[in-house]
Amino acid sequence: DTGVSQDPRHKITKRGQNVTFRCDPISEHNRLYWYRQTLGQGPEFLTYFQNEAQLEKSRLLSDRFSAERPKGSFSTLEIQRTEQGDSAMYLCASSLGSYGRAPSAQYFGPGTRLTVL
Amino acid sequence: SQQGEEDPQALSIQEGENATMNCSYKTSINNLQWYRQNSGRGLVHLILIRSNEREKHSGRLRVTLDTSKKSSSLLITASRAADTASYFCATVKTNFGNEKLTFGTGTRLTIIP
Repeated sequence: DTGVSQDPRHKITKRGQNVTFRCDPISEHNRLYWYRQTLGQGPEFLTYFQNEAQLEKSRLLSDRFSAERPKGSFSTLEIQRTEQGDSAMYLCASSLGSYGRAPSAQYFGPGTRLTVL
Repeated sequence: SQQGEEDPQALSIQEGENATMNCSYKTSINNLQWYRQNSGRGLVHLILIRSNEREKHSGRLRVTLDTSKKSSSLLITASRAADTASYFCATVKTNFGNEKLTFGTGTRLTIIP
């Protein structure tokens, strides 16, 4: 399967612990996005990478959140000192794009469901 | 924050009938996309319509876009049980750089066999 993969699929943690999620995009895709989805809502944008550069972060991404994409391949999203309000599905998506190119669809991974107790 | 809303929030129809979902959004856009989400396959891209397009077809899907009313509709013809899922519209403001998606709240579609 050459789609977007995420690991782990489920994570249960205690409040105050740190967690890290990984996303492997489609290999030739240069753009990578993280979204967060809570029950009954649509996904909300968190952050965006073009290759290895993190170019935009949502105000939803507090100082406890950090994301990286070393070498422009896989990406990690870390949450420090987790809170119960962090419980959500964290979705990763990738796409192939360049300035002035036709708009492109995003391909989503299965998500990591985080539960903070 | 959500860009807009889908209407209805939930829809149940008999298999074989057509399903229509509507989406309203708030700001000017470059394109609008529809995605389907179910527990088995996650979020899947269905169709993309640009702001200068009014209608687009893909298989059993028909999407319309009215930028003057800031609204879009998704029609699924001859529905099947496998179409049971949540459907989201998502808008993109620009195609220069960050094409982040701003999703609506979704329509939960149930197809009754």
